[in-house]
Amino acid sequence: AQSVAQPEDQVNVAEGNPLTVKCTYSVSGNPYLFWYVQYPNRGLQFLLKYITGDNLVKGSYGFEAEFNKSQTSFHLKKPSALVSDSALYFCAVRLATDSWGKLQFGAGTQVVVTP
Amino acid sequence: DTGVSQDPRHKITKRGQNVTFRCDPISEHNRLYWYRQTLGQGPEFLTYFQNEAQLEKSRLLSDRFSAERPKGSFSTLEIQRTEQGDSAMYLCASSPPQGRPGTQYFGPGTRLLVL
Repeated sequence: AQSVAQPEDQVNVAEGNPLTVKCTYSVSGNPYLFWYVQYPNRGLQFLLKYITGDNLVKGSYGFEAEFNKSQTSFHLKKPSALVSDSALYFCAVRLATDSWGKLQFGAGTQVVVTP
Repeated sequence: DTGVSQDPRHKITKRGQNVTFRCDPISEHNRLYWYRQTLGQGPEFLTYFQNEAQLEKSRLLSDRFSAERPKGSFSTLEIQRTEQGDSAMYLCASSPPQGRPGTQYFGPGTRLLVL
């Protein structure tokens, strides 16, 4: 069985400071990993994904994530947070062998960026 | 570039009534997914279509739920004899034909409240 854990329910950061949102996963095979962001009463917006290759993945809005196979982690990072980054962030995993591509999501991390 | 659209955006119904939601995927996306998101949780997979074929259904999809994609374009999700536990956000996502894992693009969701 596969699972995704986002250990922090909420992350608070001051504007301009680095932002990190943690994600760990457990799968019995090679994972494909995704980050999505959700603003209030909206659907999910794709930020970035790791499929293969370079462990550092760059995505939308200045976000990046680092795939660490030994630690089974895929933490989301942004060097300098903006107030507008305040939202709910979801990590998701898909097995490489899953032909249908369904995603399994973590419970989400609320990011609050204060001015 | 039109994204995934869902209709209605909000639905309030009384317990025991039937409801139907519609999803219009991004054109040329042959893969379509339905997810359900309850408060404080990440989206959970419900079902998957490739063109008009429904290829996978989650155990979450009880007999009261049915989904169709009759011409391989839009999809409908019907819930019969709604229960209060059905209250959730229902999300639709689509992704393109793929050799590599395609990104799933989400619609804004339909928020269902069962009274």
